[in-house]
Parts: sequence; structure tokens; C-alpha cells
Amino acid sequence: AQTVTQSQPEMSVQEAETVTLSCTYDTSESDYYLFWYKQPPSRQMILVIRQEAYKQQNATENRFSVNFQKAAKSFSLKISDSQLGDAAMYFCALIQGAQKLVFGQGTRLTINP
Amino acid sequence: GAVVSQHPSRVICKSGTSVKIECRSLDFQATTMFWYRQFPKQSLMLMATSNEGSKATYEQGVEKDKFLINHASLTLSTLTVTSAHPEDSSFYICSARDWTSGLQETQYFGPGTRLLVL
Repeated sequence: AQTVTQSQPEMSVQEAETVTLSCTYDTSESDYYLFWYKQPPSRQMILVIRQEAYKQQNATENRFSVNFQKAAKSFSLKISDSQLGDAAMYFCALIQGAQKLVFGQGTRLTINP
Repeated sequence: GAVVSQHPSRVICKSGTSVKIECRSLDFQATTMFWYRQFPKQSLMLMATSNEGSKATYEQGVEKDKFLINHASLTLSTLTVTSAHPEDSSFYICSARDWTSGLQETQYFGPGTRLLVL
């Protein structure tokens, strides 16, 4: 069975600073995909970034980047130049093929002005 | 692209009535849609997988007769909460996969529906 663990229930960062959210996972497969989703107070789930397990290069999307360590089964999200609009719940998620998306418990990120 | 809508955004109903929630993929065809339930301050819990033209696949512990799912077209799936009771009050979210894109494994989420049963 696949599992996703986010060990940080809450994180906070000063505006304009950099913050890293942790995520570890467990799967027996070699081909899978990893995601970070953001859920702001509106509760709309927004895709932040995705990573294919077969790609060694870490995915980046503007101020968002990941540190994908396949051997360690780690998938952390780095947010650079944090902005007030980044405040949200962040969920790490894993999927293999046509199977269901497995979510972590979430990390609530607070941005301090 | 890859926009998913949900209607209604919030609904209040009396105990014993049924409520239908619609999930639509606006700019792509979704052969597979998913229904989640989210309790306050918790992660998303998958309820069922909705496949166009066939029966939904329910997760263990989800009552099929209470949560009726119909996926009649490639852009619409509906969740009907039958004989709703206060314990059914929750936030329901749908998602869809765009199998025509190069990102078939990526799920795009609707904005959610807040259900309150009095």
C-alpha cells in the first residue's frame, strides 16, 4: 500500500523568506507521480507542482520547486520569496498509474507580514 | 485549461431530504471523475471513483445506497446524498482526469460543495 506522510502540521515564514515543506512517501513501484496541492481558505484545491518519478530533474514552477530524492522517498516543496497569498494548507500526494491519489495529512502554512 | 466546476457551492437541507451535487469538466472530457469528502482540518478522503457509462467504484466503508453516483456523460458526474442526516454534513469535492492531455495522471479539482443538513 502507498502512504504519504507530512510530518509538519504547521509551518510559518516571514514574507519574502523561503520555506520548505517536507513530505515522505512509501511505494513499492518504480513508476509513479508526486504532487503538491495548495488549498487556500476558499478550499479550492490548486495544483502547485508535479514530478514524474522517472525524471531525475527536480520540477520547478516559478517560486515553487521540489527536492525529489527517490532513494530516500522524499519530496519536499520549497517556496521562495513567500507571499501573503501563499498562506494555505499544502497537501503532498502520490499516484501510481490508474490507481487512486493518496494524500498526506497536510501542512498549514502561515505567512507573517 | 483543465477547469472543473461544481454546483452548488453550498447547500442547506432538512434531514431526510436528498441533495444532488454536480461536477463538470468545462474544457476537457473526463472518462474518470472522483468524489472526495473532507472534514474540517483534515485531508481529503476518497469516497468513490466515477467512470463514464459504468457503475462507480466505492471505497470501503462508503454506503453505495446513500451516496449515489451517476456519470452519464464525458463532462458530468453527479453525487446524490439520499435521505441526508446531520452526520452527512461535510465538504464534498470532485476531481477529474484529462486523459487527452499528456498529464493523464493529474487530477483537477472542483471548488467543492459545503453541505449542511439540519
